Amino acid sequence: EAGVAQSPRYKIIEKRQSVAFWCNPISGHATLYWYQQILGQGPKLLIQFQNNGVVDDSQLPKDRFSAERLKGVDSTLKIQPAKLEDSAVYLCASSSPRAGANEKLFFGSGTQLSVL
Amino acid sequence: QKEVEQDPGPLSVPEGAIVSLNCTYSNSAFQYFMWYRQYSRKGPELLMYTYSSGNKEDGRFTAQVDKSSKYISLFIRDSQPSDSATYLCASSRPRDTGNQFYFGTGTSLTVIP
Repeated sequence: EAGVAQSPRYKIIEKRQSVAFWCNPISGHATLYWYQQILGQGPKLLIQFQNNGVVDDSQLPKDRFSAERLKGVDSTLKIQPAKLEDSAVYLCASSSPRAGANEKLFFGSGTQLSVL
Repeated sequence: QKEVEQDPGPLSVPEGAIVSLNCTYSNSAFQYFMWYRQYSRKGPELLMYTYSSGNKEDGRFTAQVDKSSKYISLFIRDSQPSDSATYLCASSRPRDTGNQFYFGTGTSLTVIP
């Protein structure tokens, strides 16, 4: 079974530039998550999708971050304009299809973003 | 108060030692408890998954949950240099729209040969 795919692996940009990350979840996983992980901290949820719809985006800085999940499969996360404090690893995760009971979360390798 | 609290370490042990990693959580609604292992420059990898209180063993790893005290533990027996990584504890509560997952800050472990 293929895992969660993310690209790019690394990205270096200057502040005020824009950047986009791509994620392809495990086949059949309805729920997709984007997390931000700052060095030395645990993953922090940015946005959660179930199929096409947004379930939770309460911690997404909506003035600069946006995300979409077209056709309920792939997802993109965009930052525009980037700030220095956005330097982090952006992790995409998807969970096994049965919501609630026995739901497990699987992560991709992440995108390391450095904002200079 | 954070939903899941974890001692960040770092923790350094000699090869072969028993390692104990611990977390506490605050929300009684949490039903599922996980440990993830994260190597440098990699995404977290699901290591152990438990439901409710009790112990679960998988090879050298034992996960323990005590819901009465809201305490989560991971024990690693006969630790190996390859166990050197950051260990994240996590808890989740079910929802119809997909579980909510909460993570600790991670404990950095180094096993010295």
